[in-house]
Amino acid sequence: ETGVTQTPRHLVMGMTNKKSLKCEQHLGHNAMYWYKQSAKKPLELMFVYSLEERVENNSVPSRFSPECPNSSHLFLHLHTLQPEDSALYLCASSPDGALYNEQFFGPGTRLTVL
Amino acid sequence: GQQLNQSPQSMFIQEGEDVSMNCTSSSIFNTWLWYKQEPGEGPVLLIALYKAGELTSNGRLTAQFGITRKDSFLNISASIPSDVGIYFCAGQLYNYGQNFVFGPGTRLSVLP
Repeated sequence: ETGVTQTPRHLVMGMTNKKSLKCEQHLGHNAMYWYKQSAKKPLELMFVYSLEERVENNSVPSRFSPECPNSSHLFLHLHTLQPEDSALYLCASSPDGALYNEQFFGPGTRLTVL
Repeated sequence: GQQLNQSPQSMFIQEGEDVSMNCTSSSIFNTWLWYKQEPGEGPVLLIALYKAGELTSNGRLTAQFGITRKDSFLNISASIPSDVGIYFCAGQLYNYGQNFVFGPGTRLSVLP
């Protein structure tokens, strides 16, 4: 595997379910990100991890819970979501260098909350 | 919060035509990135810009970092059907560390 991978690619869940999204990067990067992409809206940054420590949480509801066990893996745990949480959830990674810090994205998980 | 504006929002062009789109902000950025996203996929990095005035090419794509550091443009020459997609710009602010701000995107359609 190369680049950034995400599983599952599609997920349908009820509002009372608990599920998790997984992201894995094979680029040797030190920073990982979760974004939410809704129709006709810019990408919304949710969480940033650098060297496995959370450095940014953009006022995301507590029903979204991230976990970064190491610099290659990132999870997003989902609990009691709302229909408006339906979106494409994108994971990204970057070298975390001071100047050259391009973000590379995974293919995303298309989440539908019923 | 910080915002990026992209124009046009969407465009329909004939195959073979050149395309120009831009990204503007009221804030100064120290890095500009351009991404392309196709349906059902994540954004793919096309070009990265790090210095004001920098002009960088990637095949038929050319992007420039505006002198004022508040804008950037992307040109596509001799468009082909596989250029279809949504093009996003992203800017990184000096004081925001790793965090980028993304524009709303320009949707490109190429007619054969």
